[in-house]
Amino acid sequence: EVQLVQSGAEVKKPGESLKISCKGSGYSFTTYWIGWVRQMPGKGLEWMGIIYPGDSDTRYSPSFQGQVTISADKSISTAYLQWSSLKASDTAMYYCARQLTTNDAFHIWGQGTKVTVSS
Amino acid sequence: SYELTQPPSVSVSPGQTASITCSGDKLGDEFACWYQQKPGQSPVVVIYQDSKRPSGIPERFSGSNSGNTATLTISGTQAMDEADYYCQAWDSSTGVFGGGTKLTVL
Repeated sequence: EVQLVQSGAEVKKPGESLKISCKGSGYSFTTYWIGWVRQMPGKGLEWMGIIYPGDSDTRYSPSFQGQVTISADKSISTAYLQWSSLKASDTAMYYCARQLTTNDAFHIWGQGTKVTVSS
Repeated sequence: SYELTQPPSVSVSPGQTASITCSGDKLGDEFACWYQQKPGQSPVVVIYQDSKRPSGIPERFSGSNSGNTATLTISGTQAMDEADYYCQAWDSSTGVFGGGTKLTVL
């Protein structure tokens, strides 16, 4: 079964760093784009960026460029989303998702990781 | 930056047809897709590449995309279709979501 399993919920303070993960299984991890999507409480979906684990080609939405870093470790079939200094406004649910091809829909989604940033 | 505009809400009676639109400049020149999200759940793709249905998605879901508007159509809407729906398209090599439409079946 193809699936993406995300790391668990996090509670952090402003200014702290964080790295959340998304582990793929049941398919060739290096040959499909993995993306990250933010959903703030009660709000819509926001496309953050994608990575191609085969060569680490990464693309960011202008809204998130410089705010987060997307990476992948193909040796353990895991993609990451990280922050160097969290803000309260980073409080949200974060989903990873897999595309079939370039500029395609996200066909497989992870279960989401809830990030809460509060002092 | 590229923007996709959806109506915030659409209401439909059970058994009737619901149409949800997604507008963007020259949207028809790119593939559009649609996601359904129910409370507390991850989104699910219901239409991709404008009009294709993934396996497991009922035939009552259909899509089209032309000019500046993509449309998701749900024929014979059922109570279980009540959810938030999001369109998504591409601006060069980055994706963009619409603001979402809450579909109420009443």
